[in-house]
Amino acid sequence: GAVVSQHPSWVICKSGTSVKIECRSLDFQATTMFWYRQFPKQSLMLMATSNEGSKATYEQGVEKDKFLINHASLTLSTLTVTSAHPEDSSFYICSARDRDRDSYEQYFGPGTRLTVT
Amino acid sequence: RKEVEQDPGPFNVPEGATVAFNCTYSNSASQSFFWYRQDCRKEPKLLMSVYSSGNEDGRFTAQLNRASQYISLLIRDSKLSDSATYLCVVTGGIGNEKLTFGTGTRLTIIP
Repeated sequence: GAVVSQHPSWVICKSGTSVKIECRSLDFQATTMFWYRQFPKQSLMLMATSNEGSKATYEQGVEKDKFLINHASLTLSTLTVTSAHPEDSSFYICSARDRDRDSYEQYFGPGTRLTVT
Repeated sequence: RKEVEQDPGPFNVPEGATVAFNCTYSNSASQSFFWYRQDCRKEPKLLMSVYSSGNEDGRFTAQLNRASQYISLLIRDSKLSDSATYLCVVTGGIGNEKLTFGTGTRLTIIP
């Protein structure tokens, strides 16, 4: 149980293009989904918290107009990196909380490795 | 001071040995605590939650000391498959579900 999928697993794009990443909870409904970014040899950094049907809450320093988050249902959240630049190259990981569990555990998707050339 | 501090290692330990990791956190209001493991270029996977009473799952034992704001993980009879980075993770205060990750401790089990 508690499986989270993410698509695509890797993507290479040219500078200036936009990339959409999907995050799905497969066998549970997610109260909240989270988007993280991880640079090499660094810890995961929370970018934003996404609640179904409402606007995402972004962490300080994360541009909401550059990283568009849509949380259309209890099982799907998307992150769109708009006008990507090489410095946006990173490992993007989503996670989800199970709304039927009274716990703060988060279940992570397999991540999307983005390379902007 | 970092919110969650861990010794980055690396720890190189022979197979079958016992190894312990420690972690300290700065927010005294933190409510929930976890150990995750992360393999190279993969996502973090929940290893276990950590409770004040201590908890054990097979070869793994986790302990929380709220007074000292200290969390530990003990791995007994280590296996080659235990090689990974171990992440100490804490939440915020009551109602704050955000996870704060330590930078991780790199463990390599040597045959």
